[in-house]
Amino acid sequence: TQLLEQSPQFLSIQEGENLTVYCNSSSVFSSLQWYRQEPGEGPVLLVTVVTGGEVKKLKRLTFQFGDARKDSSLHITAAQPGDTGLYLCAGGQGGSEKLVFGKGMKLTVNP
Amino acid sequence: DAGITQSPRYKITETGRQVTLMCHQTWSHSYMFWYRQDLGHGLRLIYYSAAADITDKGEVPDGYVVSRSKTENFPLTLESATRSQTSVYFCAARTGRGPQAFFGQGTRLTVV
Repeated sequence: TQLLEQSPQFLSIQEGENLTVYCNSSSVFSSLQWYRQEPGEGPVLLVTVVTGGEVKKLKRLTFQFGDARKDSSLHITAAQPGDTGLYLCAGGQGGSEKLVFGKGMKLTVNP
Repeated sequence: DAGITQSPRYKITETGRQVTLMCHQTWSHSYMFWYRQDLGHGLRLIYYSAAADITDKGEVPDGYVVSRSKTENFPLTLESATRSQTSVYFCAARTGRGPQAFFGQGTRLTVV
């Protein structure tokens, strides 16, 4: 059972464009994380959001946690080729040690 | 600071053979996890461990065995490898204080 649905699954854009990735669930999460994974490497944490409605910024990346803590979005402004990679969202549920991952969004930014 | 080291990075094995994937952390994080990553499925949890000698099943445990005799090591064994176990395997660790996980570089396993 995939608790976290990410959309879109694939995106190919030109350098300088903006994009938004969505991570949706019918379940409530105590925290939600975004990871980026490059080919041949493991996922690397970008950000963790824990409060409903929380917004965090990491340079050109803006992360938002939904008010009901069931969904999240990642917005990238003025994408660059270095942003290319697989973006994964992962949710933690209170009292559980486990993280549930979405299937990921494969982003390609063309120069 | 090496973090999490997985070995081997690449492995080809034959159907029916036993194979063990190693995972070592240089920290003393309580929780350790094994995931497999497949196209169309994303990361799926195989087994996890909350501490030495404490392990539990994840989403897809069949055909796998784990042990954790020491906090820093968490090997994953495929008792009799099948082609469906061809995948990229990731080991991860996290502390008990926060939800974020730290991943190794992965082991690409091919079962022929």
